Formats: sequence, structure tokens, C-alpha cells
Amino acid sequence: GQNIDQPTEMTATEGAIVQINCTYQTSGFNGLFWYQQHAGEAPTFLSYNVLDGLEEKGRFSSFLSRSKGYSYLLLKELQMKDSASYLCAVRDGGFQKLVFGTGTRLLVSP
Amino acid sequence: SQTIHQWPATLVQPVGSPLSLECTVEGTSNPNLYWYRQAAGRGLQLLFYSVGIGQISSEVPQNLSASRPQDRQFILSSKKLLLSDSGFYLCAWRPRTGGNTEAFFGQGTRLTVV
Repeated sequence: GQNIDQPTEMTATEGAIVQINCTYQTSGFNGLFWYQQHAGEAPTFLSYNVLDGLEEKGRFSSFLSRSKGYSYLLLKELQMKDSASYLCAVRDGGFQKLVFGTGTRLLVSP
Repeated sequence: SQTIHQWPATLVQPVGSPLSLECTVEGTSNPNLYWYRQAAGRGLQLLFYSVGIGQISSEVPQNLSASRPQDRQFILSSKKLLLSDSGFYLCAWRPRTGGNTEAFFGQGTRLTVV
């Protein structure tokens, strides 16, 4: 089975940096995805990691350590529009499943 | 380009009534298809996924069922809705091959069972 954990809620200030952690335990692993979801909307893709290390994409970066079952999403230069939920998802390659964590609600304040 | 359509956008149904939510994908063939449910303020719970026509894998025992009558059509059904079935239902697809391709979501159906 799969178990994916994230903090429930985080707060940060506009312009700051925030790191959202995700730990996972899966029977098979073939990649980790980060999604952003604004309230009432569908999730949108942010990043993908399959090998250890850091992937950078503008203000967003994502890190993976497969040996530790750990990932984080780093958001820099926070903007008010970054207030959203951030979802970590793990792909079980053997069975084509994509399983999501509980999501982290980020509130950015002025 | 590929698109995913999900309808209806909102639905209010009485307890005990049937349910049918439909999802179709255009512009691709042989996709993996997924149904998720999201309770208010919570993460996405995987309900069903399908790797081909007629192939359905169920993740959570419940009174819902799914069917894939055509390659790009995925249907979520219930014979008798429960109050606990209320939530935001999301359909998603991703290519069968290509490990680094993300899942693409429909706009969701907000179901309220009253």
C-alpha cells in the first residue's frame, strides 16, 4: 500500500521562502509529482522528480531523496496568488496508480 | 492537443438516488484514467483507475462503481447515494507510457447529497 504524509497547513509572508515537505512509503515507486490546487478548482501540475536531487522551475523547486522516502517543494519570492493547497503524489509504476497525499494548505499573508 | 471533459460541474442529489458522472478524453489514445474524490479541505482519494477498456481497479470499498465502455470514456456510478458520498469528484488521465508525464485533470464535479 501507500502512505503519503504532508503538513496540513502552513503560513508564510509575501516575499518569503517556504518549504513544504512530503514523506512517502510505497510498495513501488516510479516518480513523485507536485500539484497546486486553488479552492474549488482542479489541480495543476508543478513538478516531477524521479531521480534524487533538485529540479528547479522558476520560483518553484522540488527535491527528492528516494532512500529517505522524502521530497520537498520550495517556493521562493512568495506572492499572494501562491495561497493554495499543494499536493504531493507518488506514481506506483508497476500498477500505473497515482496516489496523492493529504495536501498542504498554504496561506500567504501581506 | 489533448482535452478532458467532465460533467456535470455541480450536482445536488437526494439520498438513495442513483449517480452517473461522465468523463471523456480527446486527442489521445489508450490513456490511463482515474477517478478521485476530495472531501472539503482534504487531499485527493483515489477511487478507481483503469489501464484499458473494461479494466477497472478499485481502491476503496464503497457503494460506487466505475466503468470504461470505450477507450476514452470513464464513468462513475452509484445505485443509491449516501450522505457520505458528497464531495468534489475529479477525473484525470495520463499517457500509458512515459514516466515523467503528469496527470491532467478535468474541472471536477461538486456533488452534494441531501
